[in-house]
Amino acid sequence: QSVLTQPPSMSAAAGQKVTISCSGSTSDIYYNFVSWYQHLPGTAPRLLIYENNKRPSGVPGRFSGSKSGTSATLDISGLQPGDEGDYYCGTWDNALKADVFGGGTRLTVL
Amino acid sequence: QVQLQESGPGLVKPSQTLTLTCAVSGGSVGSDDYFWSWIRQVSGKGLEWIGYIAKSGNTHYSPALRSRLDISVGPSKGQFSLNLNSLTAADTATYFCARGVAVAAGLYFDFWGRGTPVSVSS
Repeated sequence: QSVLTQPPSMSAAAGQKVTISCSGSTSDIYYNFVSWYQHLPGTAPRLLIYENNKRPSGVPGRFSGSKSGTSATLDISGLQPGDEGDYYCGTWDNALKADVFGGGTRLTVL
Repeated sequence: QVQLQESGPGLVKPSQTLTLTCAVSGGSVGSDDYFWSWIRQVSGKGLEWIGYIAKSGNTHYSPALRSRLDISVGPSKGQFSLNLNSLTAADTATYFCARGVAVAAGLYFDFWGRGTPVSVSS
């Protein structure tokens, strides 16, 4: 069982916006930075967001992240068929002294 | 552009030791100020951080795996390896190597390999 909780699956129509949640605790998200990763079938996972809301070079502005308290969210606007895949959040856990991830959210673009 | 590629045996017997290697191009494990990491994913489950090695040779391991794990650099500075002993079926997973960047606490992972599947079975 993952330390961080994400919805197992979400779906939305092409062109719409989806918000993926990541729920943690005062041991992890509350005090630490959150990152988000995209894993498309057959490819290497890709960093989408780091330090809660920063985008690496090359990541479109359609992807945005935020954090409040013990939760974080990833917003994807203007959904495209190529966005179908798995999305993971990650952070540091102060109690475990380890990096931890969510269980992942499988995104379907209708 | 940094690229990472995992390689390994694919199938390992229970109680044996798994050895995986990550080849790094466009960067150097021995000189770049990053944290060269291993992460795995059991089919149908989330990602699990395994551990990392820094350019200094310092390592940090997941508490759940620490007693069975060794991460090392070499023999060339262009690769790092994972050794996980006393394997069980629970270690069956896809194993990823990744480059970790330090933040205030912990890491984020900016480059990943595609992963290599490992099955533990007799």
